[in-house]
Amino acid sequence: EAQVTQNPRYLITVTGKKLTVTCSQNMNHEYMSWYRQDPGLGLRQIYYSMNVEVTDKGDVPEGYKVSRKEKRNFPLILESPSPNQTSLYFCASSLSRTSGNYEQYFGPGTRLTVT
Amino acid sequence: AQKITQTQPGMFVQEKEAVTLDCTYDTSDQSYGLFWYKQPSSGEMIFLIYQGSYDEQNATEGRYSLNFQKARKSANLVISASQLGDSAMYFCAITGFQKLVFGTGTRLLVSP
Repeated sequence: EAQVTQNPRYLITVTGKKLTVTCSQNMNHEYMSWYRQDPGLGLRQIYYSMNVEVTDKGDVPEGYKVSRKEKRNFPLILESPSPNQTSLYFCASSLSRTSGNYEQYFGPGTRLTVT
Repeated sequence: AQKITQTQPGMFVQEKEAVTLDCTYDTSDQSYGLFWYKQPSSGEMIFLIYQGSYDEQNATEGRYSLNFQKARKSANLVISASQLGDSAMYFCAITGFQKLVFGTGTRLLVSP
């Protein structure tokens, strides 16, 4: 089954404790992306990756890091989480933009609470 | 930059009736795509329908159709014969540079 998986699905942590949210896709997609969703703001892009070892900032990258060492995986790293990073996080993947197929497949979401 | 405006924070509809969720957009791109996603209370984002800017016909997927009016820059979602399971948040999105740009969403409540 074609899918994007994220782990963990729920996480409560404390300020300053480093954490990683994993994302994996089994569709051989070149493009992967992270979004955060906050009430009244819709989804906003954090980082994206066009391919292995190619990443770039989205609209709200502050406080986050990413890496793309393998095509299927795109982890989101919070080196020192703060309460303003409490949010619902989505990983997404799609075929390359040049394919003309822009649909992004979303993971199930990770609900993060930073106290 | 691209922008999506969803002016209806909440909508109510009775079961079996049709409902239209509004979406207007702004973009300077000549070629772009428009999406609608459904987000139930469980939180996942479910793809509903896609419309390309050069598609001559309005997109349809089962009970979902997209009323695309390019000159007005609108891409309204029409749900026919609403069901209780349609109660959810609905997001309109447009392709931007290496991302999708989302609106703030419309919460739809379907009553029996």
